Amino acid sequence: RKEVEQDPGPFNVPEGATVAFNCTYSNSASQSFFWYRQDCRKEPKLLMSVYSSGNEDGRFTAQLNRASQYISLLIRDSKLSDSATYLCVVKKGGGFKTIFGAGTRLFVKA
Amino acid sequence: EPEVTQTPSHQVTQMGQEVILRCVPISNHLYFYWYRQILGQKVEFLVSFYNNEISEKSEIFDDQFSVERPDGSNFTLKIRSTKLEDSAMYFCASRDLDLSTGELFFGEGSRLTVL
Repeated sequence: RKEVEQDPGPFNVPEGATVAFNCTYSNSASQSFFWYRQDCRKEPKLLMSVYSSGNEDGRFTAQLNRASQYISLLIRDSKLSDSATYLCVVKKGGGFKTIFGAGTRLFVKA
Repeated sequence: EPEVTQTPSHQVTQMGQEVILRCVPISNHLYFYWYRQILGQKVEFLVSFYNNEISEKSEIFDDQFSVERPDGSNFTLKIRSTKLEDSAMYFCASRDLDLSTGELFFGEGSRLTVL
């Protein structure tokens, strides 16, 4: 089983749509979770951290389910500028290694 | 805004040649990383570096790879004898002391093409 698994997509949605991405991780010792965004041929950039109680940042909502080892990202009111690859990222507690999922491609169309 | 800088942005080399990729992490950060991304594939962990030594490395980071922090500001990745399959984008990243936030700050990457 892959350490971090994501649906590669692509997700093609119209502007204004709500879209959700899921991610599962295999290591139950994982303690820190993040969503990063990567534009084509650019470096990954942090979108948001994921907290146990769930958290929201504007149009973005992240959820964590430790029992199911599952993380989600919800994007409301999609903008053209949201088109990117969304990377699920997991860090094991007490370690240094941060593992990236393969990413989910999102295309938002006018 | 402080940033991680990497040089060169693109390097083309012949198979078997040595390559050194350079990074200047954010100045108050203490944890340093190299990742690579083969075109169209995922971002893969290579190595982490803390307190002047390797803290973790992946199976990709074999004897052909080495890292160094020679002068307290630069953080380098050396590939001793490049292979075709080393062609990739190499990202340097750094993180500050607060492990609870965990945010990695990435440089813009060095694209390595091995011919």
